[in-house]
Order: sequence, then C-alpha cells, then structure tokens
Amino acid sequence: AQSVTQLDSQVPVFEEAPVELRCNYSSSVSVYLFWYVQYPNQGLQLLLKYLSGSTLVESINGFEAEFNKSQTSFHLRKPSVHISDTAEYFCAVSVLGQGGKLIFGQGTELSVKP
Amino acid sequence: EADIYQTPRYLVIGTGKKITLECSQTMGHDKMYWYQQDPGMELHLIHYSYGVNSTEKGDLSSESTVSRIRTEHFPLTLESARPSHTSQYLCASSEYGRMNTEAFFGQGTRLTVV
Repeated sequence: AQSVTQLDSQVPVFEEAPVELRCNYSSSVSVYLFWYVQYPNQGLQLLLKYLSGSTLVESINGFEAEFNKSQTSFHLRKPSVHISDTAEYFCAVSVLGQGGKLIFGQGTELSVKP
Repeated sequence: EADIYQTPRYLVIGTGKKITLECSQTMGHDKMYWYQQDPGMELHLIHYSYGVNSTEKGDLSSESTVSRIRTEHFPLTLESARPSHTSQYLCASSEYGRMNTEAFFGQGTRLTVV
C-alpha cells in the first residue's frame, strides 16, 4: 500500500528566512507527486506537481520541490518566506493506474512570524 | 480559480438528523471525490465517482452515501448524524482520462454534530 509521511507537523519560521517542508512516500509503483496549500477556512489549492521529466519543479510564488527517487522524497522549499505563506501544506501522491485518487500526508503547518 | 462549490460552509446539527452536503462543479469534470479531514490530520478519501451513475467507496470507511445523477453534482448524505461524524468534508473534481490531472477542491463543509 502507498503512504505519505510529512515529517514535521509544525514549522515556525521568521519572515525572509528559508524553509523546507519534508515529504517522504512509499510506493512500489510509479507515482505522481503533488504539494497542495490550504489557507485558513479555505479548500486546497495545487501548489506544484511532479509528473515526469525534470526532477525540480517550481511554483509561481517562489516555492520549489525536488523529486528524489532513491530517497523517495519530494521536499518543498522556499528561499525566503513571507507572512502570506502562513498556511497548511499537504504532500500527496497519485498512483499510476488508480484513477487519480490522491493519498495525502498529515500536513505541515507553516507559521511565518514577522 | 476553480469552479467547484460546496454548501453549506458550516453546519451544526443535532444527533439523529439527516443531512446532505452539496457539491457542484462547472468544469465538466467526470471524476469527483469526497475527502474527510479531521483537525491536524491527513485527508482521507471516503467516496469517488468516475461519471454519472458511478460511485465507489474510498479508502476510509464511512457511513455516508453519495449519488451521481448529474455530471456536475455529487451530494453526500448522512441518514442519521452522530457526533463521530463531526469533521471537515472536502469535495474535489478532476478530468477523466488524464491520470496526471490535478484535482480541484471546494472550500469544504465543516460539520459539527451535537
């Protein structure tokens, strides 16, 4: 069975500092990888995704994630965070051949302090 | 911005009542999903549908039921609500036939059963 583990439940960080949110997955078959962001009282929004090709993927608001097959990881990074990045971040996998169903990690609460 | 809507956003209801959570999307997506999210926990898939008259149970057992009579509408029903049903319910949709398509989420319904 597939699973997703987000290693940090809460990550407090000061504004303009770098941040890394860790995500590891387990699967014996090919997967697609996603990061979703959930702002307070909102639904989930796609931040970025890895499907194939370059292992480094970027979002429009400065986040990036790197797919590492040997370590089965898909960590999310940003070199300089803003107050507005405060949110819950979910890592998810979609297993090839299972119709697009997503398996989510437990979420990481990113709290950016001034 | 995703065109998927959930109503109500918040619902407080007494034990034993029948409730229906509404979910509609205007994107013409064939695939639709219901996820359950408890505070500080990952999202769990409870129901999904690949098209009209198609419904399947998800990975997490749920006492709720769903129907898919129209492409754009995927309501979730609890015949007799209990406090254990208190949770947030998120509806999502994606295109059929493209395994790597992202899922679009509604804003969620936060259900409290007292």
